[in-house]
Formats: sequence, C-alpha cells, structure tokens
Amino acid sequence: GAGVSQSPSNKVTEKGKDVELRCDPISGHTALYWYRQSLGQGLEFLIYFQGNSAPDKSGLPSDRFSAERTGGSVSTLTIQRTQQEDSAVYLCASSKMDRERDTIYFGEGSWLTVV
Amino acid sequence: GQQLNQSPQSMFIQEGEDVSMNCTSSSIFNTWLWYKQDPGEGPVLLIALYKAGELTSNGRLTAQFGITRKDSFLNISASIPSDVGIYFCAGYDNYGQNFVFGPGTRLSVLP
Repeated sequence: GAGVSQSPSNKVTEKGKDVELRCDPISGHTALYWYRQSLGQGLEFLIYFQGNSAPDKSGLPSDRFSAERTGGSVSTLTIQRTQQEDSAVYLCASSKMDRERDTIYFGEGSWLTVV
Repeated sequence: GQQLNQSPQSMFIQEGEDVSMNCTSSSIFNTWLWYKQDPGEGPVLLIALYKAGELTSNGRLTAQFGITRKDSFLNISASIPSDVGIYFCAGYDNYGQNFVFGPGTRLSVLP
C-alpha cells in the first residue's frame, strides 16, 4: 500500500489475555520500527527490524512483549498476559534505510486498552 | 544512547502569532526530521533535513539543520487553530543506526 498500515486500529482486551498487533510497512522499506505512546507522552522505542539482521529488541519493556517480522515485510507485535499498564497506542513505522536521505513514516497506530 | 531535547515542552500562543521551537542533541546527527501528531493520529512527517545548514520551507513551516549538526529548529508563521498538536523532532545517527525522537513540544493555539 501507499502508507504504513496497522491493525487493529482499536483493541479492548481483558487483563491477562494475549494480543497481537499487525503492521504492514511501505513496500520496499527494509527497516521496521515499533514504538509505544502512552496518553499525552512521547514515543517509546520498542523494537527495530532491519533486513535479515537480528532485531534490536533493546526497547521491549518485559519478556511479555515479542515481535516477529516474516519475509522481511509484515510484522506482528505480541503482548502476552496483558496488564493495565500496557494500555497505549502502539505505532509502527518503516524506512528505506537509505543512508543518504533516510526518512521514517508512521502508521495510524493501534490503540490498546486493557481493562 | 543518544537523546534529543526539545524546547519548549509546551506553548500557548494566540492565533496569528509566529512559533519557534528547537531540538538539540549531544551528538551529531545526519538527518533531522520534524513530525506533527494530531490527537488520535500517528505522527506525520512535516519536513526532512539532510545537510548541515539546510533551510527548508513547507508552506508556513520553516526548518533548519544546524551548522553544528547537533540542533534543528522549526518555525511556524501566522499560526492557525489546526496547528494545535505535538511536534516531535527526530534524528538519524548512523552510529546508532536508529532514529531517535525528542519528547515533543505541545502547541496550543488560542483563538
């Protein structure tokens, strides 16, 4: 597609359940990022995929969080045993990894509410 | 890791006023990006800067890549109500091989 696509756009889940959030990056973009944004706050880096390299998972807040990127394209962020503090907007972004003129583009986000 | 600082954290201005905000880093960046985030939306790219000293305009927006490569500013002229939102700066440091985002400047425009 033309832009970064995320689904679902909204998800309400019960505490303790697992959730999966999906990101479809811009075609041809080799780098994919996940960020988390709590209400009114800045962007918290979670994980970064670049091509076939091992992902940078340094931002994942706990082992309940994991992410995969299949075939170098679509990515899934999984949160196991959700807690109320996991409620946030989860933003996916992608970039071309062009060292000369790199730019990162965001999706609309997946709003997660844990009740 | 690298961190970006944005100032001011928030600002309230009258419609029609000009706005200036800046972003600073302790390390050199090769790319500076400015984003605006409306409530309930993902950040949208406003301006991208790729060369030290570069000055780029996009309508009422003007941004510059600082000569030292450690700062950037964003100006908005003749503000209007739809300028309300959070403005994030971001930089790409090829040593870190990652984009770094500032904490944002929250802009409110009073009619």
